[in-house]
Amino acid sequence: KQEVTQIPAALSVPEGENLVLNCSFTDSAIYNLQWFRQDPGKGLTSLLLIQSSQREQTSGRLNASLDKSSGRSTLYIAASQPGDSATYLCAVRVSSNTGKLIFGQGTTLQVKP
Amino acid sequence: DTGVSQDPRHKITKRGQNVTFRCDPISEHNRLYWYRQTLGQGPEFLTYFQNEAQLEKSRLLSDRFSAERPKGSFSTLEIQRTEQGDSAMYLCASSIGGPDGEQYFGPGTRLTVT
Repeated sequence: KQEVTQIPAALSVPEGENLVLNCSFTDSAIYNLQWFRQDPGKGLTSLLLIQSSQREQTSGRLNASLDKSSGRSTLYIAASQPGDSATYLCAVRVSSNTGKLIFGQGTTLQVKP
Repeated sequence: DTGVSQDPRHKITKRGQNVTFRCDPISEHNRLYWYRQTLGQGPEFLTYFQNEAQLEKSRLLSDRFSAERPKGSFSTLEIQRTEQGDSAMYLCASSIGGPDGEQYFGPGTRLTVT
């Protein structure tokens, strides 16, 4: 059974710092992995989608990497800003035959001015 | 393109009552998904549709839950005889094309069962 874990559950950093959020999954046979942002009481905003054949994806100050063999993904945020404060969730799709995403518990990030 | 919309945004109901939520996906998105999220947890998959066909259901979707997508456009999720444990955020997402498509989420419906 695929399980997705995100550590730490919460993170507080000063503005301007570069940071890395971690996501690990127990079964390396994934189809793709998606990173989301969630603001309090809101829905999810898709940040990056990495196919299983890819090693990384970049969008602006965000860079997501994928290492299937070790069951890990990281989301790198450069030059953090207070507006980056939110919960970040990673999710994996285990095969092409399912639409189901399996989510981690999320990491709540606070960027202090 | 107005994004995925959900209605209502908030629902308070008494235990034992039935509730129904609606999701309107992004226009032309053929796949539609329902998830449930409790406080402090990531979303949990409930079910998904490709066009009007319900292709997968989680065991979380007990017989009190039913979802439909009658014309392959909007979808409804009904919960019968609500219980306090049903209190959660119910999220809808949609995607276009094949299984590698990016899922776009709506704002969610917050259900509180008293």
